Parts: sequence; structure tokens; C-alpha cells
Amino acid sequence: EAGVTQFPSHSVIEKGQTVTLRCDPISGHDNLYWYRRVMGKEIKFLLHFVKESKQDESGMPNNRFLAERTGGTYSTLKVQPAELEDSGVYFCASSQEKTSGRGEQYFGPGTRLTVT
Amino acid sequence: SQKIEQNSEALNIQEGKTATLTCNYTNYSPAYLQWYRQDPGRGPVFLLLIRENEKEKRKERLKVTFDTTLKQSLFHITASQPADSATYLCALRGTGRRALTFGSGTRLQVQP
Repeated sequence: EAGVTQFPSHSVIEKGQTVTLRCDPISGHDNLYWYRRVMGKEIKFLLHFVKESKQDESGMPNNRFLAERTGGTYSTLKVQPAELEDSGVYFCASSQEKTSGRGEQYFGPGTRLTVT
Repeated sequence: SQKIEQNSEALNIQEGKTATLTCNYTNYSPAYLQWYRQDPGRGPVFLLLIRENEKEKRKERLKVTFDTTLKQSLFHITASQPADSATYLCALRGTGRRALTFGSGTRLQVQP
């Protein structure tokens, strides 16, 4: 079974530019999450999709961040315009609690975003 | 505000010994507490979950305890091996929400 995949693995952009991160969850997982870790800090929750619906957006830092999950499969996270403080590692995770009920999340390898 | 504390200093132990990592939290009433392992350049990997009404959970060489009175979880790795060297993250999840709140992690180094 393929794990969670993320693309790109690393992105370097200039301040003011736009970047789109992609996440492909484990097949059949209805729940998809975005997290990020900025330098020296802990991993922080951004938002949670159940299928194509946003269930919890409480962690989104501001309106420069837009997440979508059309069709309930893969998800994109767009940052527009990017600021220096957006630099960090963005993780995607998925889970299927209908079967496990235990709540463990499966994480992708992350996308390292560097804004210069 | 909610706060999770893990020892930020690296834990160095000898192979074969038991590693014990601590997770303390404040201003939180988690329904679940989870432990993840993270290797450099990789995403966290789920290890164990313990519910608020459970005191202890075991899986192979791993043991987790959960004391909701002390607001503390202990994570033990017995008969540690160099391959256990990694950063270990504590994560809490509240009732009704699936978002995880992570601690900053503790780096474990097992010396051969």
C-alpha cells in the first residue's frame, strides 16, 4: 500500500510569489490534514478535510493560505503571496477512522518551503 | 493556552538500557495521547495511542503510561537499540476534534 506522498519535496521561492503544495493521501482515507513546522518550533495543525469538506480550519494562519480537496482525493495548499515567515516544512497526513477508530495519522515526508 | 512540554535536551543512553521520555501538558483535557517517531527528513510515524481512561499500553518493546491527574505521559523503550535513535513526539487530541497538538519532541540517541 502506498503511503502519503507530497510534492514537491523542496521549494524555494521569492517573497511575494505563489507556491502550491500537493498531497496525495493513502487511498480510501477520508480524513486529510495539513500541518507545518517552522524553524525551531513544534509541528502545528493547519486544517482538516473530511472528503472534500473543510472540517476544521482553525489553524490556518491567514487568508494568504488556501487549501482545496476537490473530489475528496488529493489536496493542494496554496500560499499567495508568500512571506518570509511562511518558510518551514509542510506535512500532510491522512487517516481512516471508520476502520481503525484509533485516530492514528499517517504522515507524508513533507515539503520544505524556503521563502527568500 | 494549551502547552505540551517534552525535554528539549537530547537523551543519550547505552544500548540495551531502557529509555524513558516524558510528556507533560497543561490547560488541556485530551481524549487521546499519541506517540510518534520522526527521523531526519521524514514525516512522523505513529507508534502508540493511549486513551484518557487507560493507564498503560504496551506494544513489543514500547510502553506508554498516561496519568491524567499529573497531566503526564511516560514513553519507555526497553532493550534499546541504536536503530531506536530518532526524535520522539508526543501528540494530544481532544474530544470532538481530530487535529493533533504536538510537543517539540525529544531526540533519543542510543549508543552501541
